[in-house]
Amino acid sequence: NAGVTQTPKFRVLKTGQSMTLLCAQDMNHEYMYWYRQDPGMGLRLIHYSVGEGTTAKGEVPDGYNVSRLKKQNFLLGLESAAPSQTSVYFCASRATGGNEKLFFGSGTQLSVL
Amino acid sequence: GENVEQHPSTLSVQEGDSAVIKCTYSDSASNYFPWYKQELGKRPQLIIDIRSNVGEKKDQRIAVTLNKTAKHFSLHITETQPEDSAVYFCAASKGYSTLTFGKGTMLLVSP
Repeated sequence: NAGVTQTPKFRVLKTGQSMTLLCAQDMNHEYMYWYRQDPGMGLRLIHYSVGEGTTAKGEVPDGYNVSRLKKQNFLLGLESAAPSQTSVYFCASRATGGNEKLFFGSGTQLSVL
Repeated sequence: GENVEQHPSTLSVQEGDSAVIKCTYSDSASNYFPWYKQELGKRPQLIIDIRSNVGEKKDQRIAVTLNKTAKHFSLHITETQPEDSAVYFCAASKGYSTLTFGKGTMLLVSP
């Protein structure tokens, strides 16, 4: 079991460029999440999904889009990157039912110049 | 929505001392309170959690207490070791909704 895998691990973009972050999990989890982590701000939820084909907005969704075409994959897109989107991005997943433990990926360090 | 406040933002202790991190939450309907540990450059990992029908839970050197009336919960680490140095996040949720995280506490344990 690889758990939750994120690609890429590092990326540098210029303002206005677009990119997609990929999250893949092999635990058959229904729920998947994208968080951003900024110094002193904790983990803030961007978007999440409660199952294949579903997505929902989190706390800070502006400037991001997501898709969950396959149960194991959750994609985060930046259509026109801005310096304010410089951050560390974490994907997470969890099972349904009473086990609410989040499994996190290793993170993506994104810099927007 | 839910709001989680976490204090202190940084905490320095000597090896062997105890460390306490406190969190308050705003939504009285919240019923699940996990704690995550994030070592430098690593991913957050769950270390302990508690549900609202329990007042205290222990796992070796770590414990969490919950006061539903006051809407606060705390993480207690006894006999701290250098490997306990990390950022700790509290969080809260209700039902099976999304977690709201606190801003984190950086714990430094000096040998």
